[in-house]
This record gives sequence, structure tokens and C-alpha cells, in this order.
Amino acid sequence: QKEVEQDPGPLSVPEGAIVSLNCTYSNSAFQYFMWYRQYSRKGPELLMYTYSSGNKEDGRFTAQVDKSSKYISLFIRDSQPSDSATYLCAMSLAPSNTGNQFYFGTGTSLTVIP
Amino acid sequence: KAGVTQTPRYLIKTRGQQVTLSCSPISGHRSVSWYQQTPGQGLQFLFEYFSETQRNKGNFPGRFSGRQFSNSRSEMNVSTLELGDSALYLCASNSQGADNEQFFGPGTRLTVL
Repeated sequence: QKEVEQDPGPLSVPEGAIVSLNCTYSNSAFQYFMWYRQYSRKGPELLMYTYSSGNKEDGRFTAQVDKSSKYISLFIRDSQPSDSATYLCAMSLAPSNTGNQFYFGTGTSLTVIP
Repeated sequence: KAGVTQTPRYLIKTRGQQVTLSCSPISGHRSVSWYQQTPGQGLQFLFEYFSETQRNKGNFPGRFSGRQFSNSRSEMNVSTLELGDSALYLCASNSQGADNEQFFGPGTRLTVL
């Protein structure tokens, strides 16, 4: 079983739709949760960061973490064509002297149609 | 604050050659990780360095190696290149502070012919 599971899509939605992206994970010790946006042929860009459980909102983006279900979500409201990208979820344990490794989903490809 | 920088951005090599990629982390970040990204395999972890020491290593052959310098800059080397090494190589830096955020560079796109 992979540490992090993410539906690869592709996902295609009309402009203005609400988009829901999700990841599940197996390691209950994960404490830090991130969403990255990656445009074609570019490096991933950190979009949202959450520590432990709860919600975090930034403009049109909302990140949710449900540690009891080992499930994280990213919601995009009023989606725009510029949101078309691949979205990667990532998570990590608490950093320690022995290492600080991040675990990534495979990414979900999103296309927002004008 | 400047972001993570990687050089070169593009590289074309032939099978059997070796290549060295460079990464400068965000100022103050001491943890640097390297990843290989391909369409088929996604993002795969290569190794992590902290204060010039390799702390973690992914499941890659010994042809892949790296190092970190005292100024936190890092290099990775791939020897005896194979066609399958064609990929986007990403470097990421992390402050390992209270906010365990990891920031990526733009990547080096390596093509092996």
C-alpha cells in the first residue's frame, strides 16, 4: 500500500465550478499537510500548508485535514482557466535529526474549461 | 527572499555520460531534498541532505549520488546515464522549523539520447 493515494484524474470542469481534490494516507503519524500546484514543465509551487487537523482558507482555496479519517482535501471555488494544472498533495512527519522526508501523491490533472 | 534556484535548467546528454546538477536553497534553509519526476512514475524521492550529511535516501541505484556544501548548496550527480534517466530533476529546500514547508526550484530537465 502506498503511503499517499491520490486519484490521478484527469478532472475537467467548467469555469466557475467548485473543484474538490482529495488524498488519503496510511501513516497516522503525519502532521504536516501540503498542496502543490504544478504547471506543465514547471516546478511544483506550494499552494496551501496545514499543520495537524482543521481547515485553512486562502482566497478561493480551502484546505481541509481530517486526521481521524486520514483524508485531506483541497477545494477551489469559482475555478478559473488559470487553475488548470496538476495538483499534488504532500505530507510529512515531524522533522527530526534523523530526517525530514515528504511523501507525495501522484497528482491530479485539472482542466478548467472557459 | 530569493527562492530555490537550480542550474542548469536544461541539459542534453548521451548514454554513458555523467551529469552534475546544482541547487541553491532558500537562504537560511539547511535541508535540501532531490526528486526525480517522470510522467509514468510521478515524483520520486532521491535523497535528503542536512548540514552536509545525507539523512535519507530513496530507492535509486548507486549511480545517483549527491552532496551538500557548508553553505547548504547541493549537487547531485548521475553517472553512466541511461535513457530512463530522462526526467525533470527537482530540488526542494526546507527550513525544518516550526512550519515544515518545503519549497521547490524550477527543476532541471535532463534528456538522455
